Amino acid sequence: EAQVTQNPRYLITVTGKKLTVTCSQNMNHEYMSWYRQDPGLGLRQIYYSMNVEVTDKGDVPEGYKVSRKEKRNFPLILESPSPNQTSLYFCASSPEVSGMGVFGYTFGSGTRLTVV
Amino acid sequence: GQSLEQPSEVTAVEGAIVQINCTYQTSGFYGLSWYQQHDGGAPTFLSYNALDGLEETGRFSSFLSRSDSYGYLLLQELQMKDSASYFCAVRARESNYQLIWGAGTKLIIKP
Repeated sequence: EAQVTQNPRYLITVTGKKLTVTCSQNMNHEYMSWYRQDPGLGLRQIYYSMNVEVTDKGDVPEGYKVSRKEKRNFPLILESPSPNQTSLYFCASSPEVSGMGVFGYTFGSGTRLTVV
Repeated sequence: GQSLEQPSEVTAVEGAIVQINCTYQTSGFYGLSWYQQHDGGAPTFLSYNALDGLEETGRFSSFLSRSDSYGYLLLQELQMKDSASYFCAVRARESNYQLIWGAGTKLIIKP
């Protein structure tokens, strides 16, 4: 089944404790992206990647890191999480290199992160 | 700067037709997308409009007017399972060709 897999689904952590949210897609998509979703704000892009070893900042990159060492994986790293990073996170992939969106994005199931 | 506006909530009756509007302000517009998200779920792709006009996919249709910077999603023969949030998203040069998302419209369907 074609899908984007995120782990974990739920995570509660403490301020300052480094964490990684994994994202893997099995569709051979070039483009991958991370979003956070907060009530009333829609989806805001954190980072995106158009190819292996190519990553770019989205609208809200502060406090996050990503890496794209292989096509299928695009982990999101929070080096020192803070309470304002409590949010619902989604990973997405697209068959179009530029992420145009013509054929739509496939999203993972989401990771609900709470930082206390 | 760029912005998208859509109503926060729309209520309709099962079996009826509902229209969810989206107006945008951006430079270098490329296309308008619509996504559906059920509570606790992930967004799922519904449609993409790059040119003016109406695109129909089953019970759902999406319309775009580039001159008016406006689009809408039309849902016909509403079913209870259509209760969800609907997001419009715009791809534009101003956003480095990345999707910018509206805040979403919660569609409430009454029997």
